[in-house]
Amino acid sequence: QKEVEQNSGPLSVPEGAIASLNCTYSDRGSQSFFWYRQYSGKSPELIMSIYSNGDKEDGRFTAQLNKASQYVSLLIRDSQPSDSATYLCAVKDDKIIFGKGTRLHILP
Amino acid sequence: DAGVIQSPRHEVTEMGQEVTLRCKPISGHNSLFWYRQTMMRGLELLIYFNNNVPIDDSGMPEDRFSAKMPNASFSTLKIQPSEPRDSAVYFCASSRQGLNQPQHFGDGTRLSIL
Repeated sequence: QKEVEQNSGPLSVPEGAIASLNCTYSDRGSQSFFWYRQYSGKSPELIMSIYSNGDKEDGRFTAQLNKASQYVSLLIRDSQPSDSATYLCAVKDDKIIFGKGTRLHILP
Repeated sequence: DAGVIQSPRHEVTEMGQEVTLRCKPISGHNSLFWYRQTMMRGLELLIYFNNNVPIDDSGMPEDRFSAKMPNASFSTLKIQPSEPRDSAVYFCASSRQGLNQPQHFGDGTRLSIL
């Protein structure tokens, strides 16, 4: 059974600090990796995708992928209260599998 | 561009009734996915279609659930008969085909079975 694991949280981070969200996956054949943000009562929204080892930066967001360790992370710099949400890690090979998400709370 | 459109947004019905959820994918997307989300189980893939053909329905919980995609712009998820444990938020998502293509979600249908 292919699995994607995330710490459920809540992860509390002071405003302006760096939030670090982690995800591990079981299928070594996974090719594509995505981070979605989901506000309470809303649908998941794609914020980052990464396909090769290393870092990928987009504004305040950085995705990090280490295929050897089967590990993908999301860093949010200069955290804002509007970043408070649940972050879903998704891993894709022949089909996409979502983790259960980490609840992030940015403290004003 | 219009996103994925789902209807209804909310549905409350009594157990035993038939429930039909509807989805219009983004134009040009040839993959369509139905998900169920609950607090306990998170986001679960129920079924997905490529080019209107069901590819993997292993996530469909039981025979009470069925899904169709009669054309590229419309899909339905039907529950008959419905049970209280089917209460959840049901999302439809679509994507272009391919490993690197992300999914785009509709706003979901919040289903409550009394």
